[in-house]
Amino acid sequence: SYELTQPPSVSVSPGQTASITCSADKLGEKYACWYQQKPGQSPVLVIYEDTKRPSGIPERFSGSNSGNTATLTISGTQAMDEADYYCQAWDSSTAVFGGGTKLTVL
Amino acid sequence: EVQLVESGGGLVQPGGSLRLSCAASGFTFSDHYMDWVRQAPGKGLEWVGRTRNKANSYSTEYAASVKGRFTISRDDSKNSLYLQMNSLKTEDTAVYYCARGRYCSSTTCYSPDTFDIWGQGTMVTVSS
Repeated sequence: SYELTQPPSVSVSPGQTASITCSADKLGEKYACWYQQKPGQSPVLVIYEDTKRPSGIPERFSGSNSGNTATLTISGTQAMDEADYYCQAWDSSTAVFGGGTKLTVL
Repeated sequence: EVQLVESGGGLVQPGGSLRLSCAASGFTFSDHYMDWVRQAPGKGLEWVGRTRNKANSYSTEYAASVKGRFTISRDDSKNSLYLQMNSLKTEDTAVYYCARGRYCSSTTCYSPDTFDIWGQGTMVTVSS
């Protein structure tokens, strides 16, 4: 089965750039999207089709996808960005999520 | 306001059954694929399955972990999505979310295929 691999945790200082990776075989040939989930809340879509931001998502969130790795980048990270982040892609007709990355802003 | 509201969660014994519901509002429910995603306590997100819309014959897809035990259905006249869960196992304990999927008209499906709206979730606990 297709698996998406994310680092369990990433730390960043306020105002710096955070990068969260998501790796899988030939992931660049699929669309990747990213969800943010804060404690006790439902997930929120922050990036879709590798690079696109839904309305209402701040410009500091950006994405890329090439080769075997998709990356979520948060520029000028704020304390409010502290959350779990999940990548997701489709393999045939099955949705696959990465294991999630806890972003700590400290 | 676009909204999804799940209900029906609770405590059930192993081997038992439960039916979850998801009420949609604020958008044309019949135009969208609809999905269920679950999250075990302290764990990550796991896709459960999807139902396509009428234009795509209400066809369904399931994760291997639930195939043959769970059934997804929908009632477009009631703007509702359902998840019938049978032969429940302790490992099915999770918060179950419904999520809005792809938009498809009667002739064409449009990108993106993402989960752009999520409900608040309903907790299912399988325990004796």
